[in-house]
Amino acid sequence: EDQVTQSPEALRLQEGESSSLNCSYTVSGLRGLFWYRQDPGKGPEFLFTLYSAGEEKEKERLKATLTKKESFLHITAPKPEDSATYLCAVDNDMRFGAGTRLTVKP
Amino acid sequence: DARVTQTPRHKVTEMGQEVTMRCQPILGHNTVFWYRQTMMQGLELLAYFRNRAPLDDSGMPKDRFSAEMPDATLATLKIQPSEPRDSAVYFCASGFTLGGSTDTQYFGPGTRLTVL
Repeated sequence: EDQVTQSPEALRLQEGESSSLNCSYTVSGLRGLFWYRQDPGKGPEFLFTLYSAGEEKEKERLKATLTKKESFLHITAPKPEDSATYLCAVDNDMRFGAGTRLTVKP
Repeated sequence: DARVTQTPRHKVTEMGQEVTMRCQPILGHNTVFWYRQTMMQGLELLAYFRNRAPLDDSGMPKDRFSAEMPDATLATLKIQPSEPRDSAVYFCASGFTLGGSTDTQYFGPGTRLTVL
């Protein structure tokens, strides 16, 4: 069965302290991997789609990368407004990971 | 600013009652998804449609859940009869699929369902 595992479950950072979130997957023939951000009480907000190993995408302080087994979401110099739950999902069966809850302290 | 809309935003009902949730996808999108989110299970795909045709509803309890897309501007998710374990936030999302891959999904704000 396909699996999507995110780590860590929760991450607390100081403002400006860069870090990475991990999404590992076991899927045959990955069609695409999504990253979303979800704020409390809201629907997930699309961030990136990655299709092939080696691909990278950037948006402001976020950069997503993809290998054959996992994806990383790198957060550079985070700000308190980056606090949210970050979700990844595989396009094959839209299976979501449990998410990483990120808190950035000022 | 195009967005997915869902109604109602909140619904409290009693066990055994019928619940209908509605979704208006973004105009021009050809794929509509229904998800359920709980603390225990996270975000789970229930069903999805492409060009209004149901493609996969394997995530839905078949005996009580049904999903339809009567036209391109409306998708519905119905629970009959509802049970307390159905309490969750139900999200609708829409996107454009080309060649079997949906590049982006836009989520609605969700319907928070509480079954007493």
